[in-house]
Amino acid sequence: DAGVIQSPRHEVTEMGQEVTLRCKPISGHNSLFWYRQTMMRGLELLIYFNNNVPIDDSGMPEDRFSAKMPNASFSTLKIQPSEPRDSAVYFCASSAIPGTSGPFLGYNEQFFGPGTRLTVL
Amino acid sequence: AQSVTQLDSHVSVSEGTPVLLRCNYSSSYSPSLFWYVQHPNKGLQLLLKYTSAATLVKGINGFEAEFKKSETSFHLTKPSAHMSDAAEYFCVVSEKENNNDMRFGAGTRLTVKP
Repeated sequence: DAGVIQSPRHEVTEMGQEVTLRCKPISGHNSLFWYRQTMMRGLELLIYFNNNVPIDDSGMPEDRFSAKMPNASFSTLKIQPSEPRDSAVYFCASSAIPGTSGPFLGYNEQFFGPGTRLTVL
Repeated sequence: AQSVTQLDSHVSVSEGTPVLLRCNYSSSYSPSLFWYVQHPNKGLQLLLKYTSAATLVKGINGFEAEFKKSETSFHLTKPSAHMSDAAEYFCVVSEKENNNDMRFGAGTRLTVKP
């Protein structure tokens, strides 16, 4: 498996523009997580999905942020409009819910993508 | 809800000496505990995990951690540091009863001096 895939790897945009970050989880995983990492705040959980359904979005900073998971193999994190303080590295991670059958039975560690480095000027 | 405290934001050791990165957790249930490592400009990689089996867990690159319920600790150790161990380390707690939510510690930056 190729692991968690994120695109783009780097994004530079101007304040006010819309930004869309993309994630493809590992095949067979049914949980997906979006994180943001900055020097000031460390690693923050923004939102996560189980079986494509948003479970907890309390970490989403404000209404400018939205996330969708239209199917089991794709998720987006959108920022509209973007601001300089949104500059960060955004990670996507996926895992299998414990108790499901198959090779992930009993394990729930998250596998992280390489991240998208976002710079908002 | 579960939480994690990493007691040191920065640890500096000399190459060849032991490494100790401290982590304390809080959990209402029987937790799963993890250590992740992040090298500069890289994503996070799982080092090791505890999921209610053996309390002494061995991971990759010679790291290990011991789950001590009485102390609510999950400290990460390595007998002999290598230059390539220099990175940021995150302790993580998860409760499957809590929708599989994972909570990350603030991280400990390990510096290895030659």
